[in-house]
Amino acid sequence: AAGVIQSPRHLIKEKRETATLKCYPIPRHDTVYWYQQGPGQDPQFLISFYEKMQSDKGSIPDRFSAQQFSDYHSELNMSSLELGDSALYFCASSTGSSQPQHFGDGTRLSIL
Amino acid sequence: DAKTTQPPSMDCAEGRAANLPCNHSTISGNEYVYWYRQIHSQGPQYIIHGLKNNETNEMASLIITEDRKSSTLILPHATLRDTAVYYCIVSPDSNYQLIWGAGTKLIIKP
Repeated sequence: AAGVIQSPRHLIKEKRETATLKCYPIPRHDTVYWYQQGPGQDPQFLISFYEKMQSDKGSIPDRFSAQQFSDYHSELNMSSLELGDSALYFCASSTGSSQPQHFGDGTRLSIL
Repeated sequence: DAKTTQPPSMDCAEGRAANLPCNHSTISGNEYVYWYRQIHSQGPQYIIHGLKNNETNEMASLIITEDRKSSTLILPHATLRDTAVYYCIVSPDSNYQLIWGAGTKLIIKP
């Protein structure tokens, strides 16, 4: 079965650079979620979109923005990167209405 | 903050049933119980979820107490590949952020 696709799998950036992470949800899933997982930590919710509109917002820094496009894929844009942004970034998708979120394999972002 | 409490770690012998408890004493009437697991830095994997009734799928069984204040995830025949951190999460439905607690690190031993 098709799963959530994230790209790139690994990304190395330097401080103050920008990065864009992409997420392609499971077909027919209309809701996308972004999570950040720092080293040794549990996932933290960043932001979600339903039908291309922001549906919920968590601990997403102002330096980050995201959107969901007409084909339901989503992009997380990160600017002025800091060392503390080094983490695994997971995207999940769902069909809503009590259906579970299904996660991609994540993007490992390393800031040098 | 997470609304669930889980033991930080558990061991289980390979081939035996692994029973993972979760307390969610403040669960609301419209909140589901979801179980996920994460195998070393991989994406969290959905296991099972339920509202009131016990549930079973190809991976596991979920037993929810009648008062819904606790639940148990059962892996019927644990294998070494089941070694992971298991998270119990309560949420109104999937269109809400998942709030992750510390989970239970389950180690399956040969």
